[in-house]
Amino acid sequence: GEDVEQSLFLSVREGDSSVINCTYTDSSSTYLYWYKQEPGAGLQLLTYIFSNMDMKQDQRLTVLLNKKDKHLSLRIADTQTGDSAIYFCAESIGGYQKVTFGTGTKLQVIP
Amino acid sequence: DAGVTQSPTHLIKTRGQQVTLRCSPKSGHDTVSWYQQALGQGPQFIFQYYEEEERQRGNFPDRFSGHQFPNYSSELNVNALLLGDSALYLCASSLATGSNEKLFFGSGTQLSVL
Repeated sequence: GEDVEQSLFLSVREGDSSVINCTYTDSSSTYLYWYKQEPGAGLQLLTYIFSNMDMKQDQRLTVLLNKKDKHLSLRIADTQTGDSAIYFCAESIGGYQKVTFGTGTKLQVIP
Repeated sequence: DAGVTQSPTHLIKTRGQQVTLRCSPKSGHDTVSWYQQALGQGPQFIFQYYEEEERQRGNFPDRFSGHQFPNYSSELNVNALLLGDSALYLCASSLATGSNEKLFFGSGTQLSVL
């Protein structure tokens, strides 16, 4: 079945690295995503990783995938106050683009 | 290039009423998906439209229905509104033949049912 879990809250100091973790249960996931949602806004796709990859780096963002443990993480280097938002882990299966989201992790960046 | 646009941005209805939400996909996209995001939760998949037909559906009752028009825009209809239908309704568009599965979201319609 489909289930995506995340911790609810993370607080970091500006300039530190943030690591947001996620676990999923469906081993047939094709793509795994990280979305960002700021207050009153829709979802912004930050990055995604195909299920046959272990790691993907995109500027300050690093995604690590441990398929054996069904664990996905997002590392934000040099975290800035503008990174404060809710971050959603999500997965999709097959080719029909239905995406299942986690409950979101609220990232608070302390100046 | 306009992204995904949704209207209205906010809506207040009373129990038992019916509501219609609208979505225009990102230019070049042909697939529209609708999600419901309750307060403090992640978005939940309602259904997806492609070629004017419902292609996939999540675990939502028949009170939730939709439509896709020839220009790829879409409507979400909810009948017999319940208090629990209060949520942010998000529309997402994508390209069915895209090489990866990227959804682009609108800013949503905040529905309050009183």
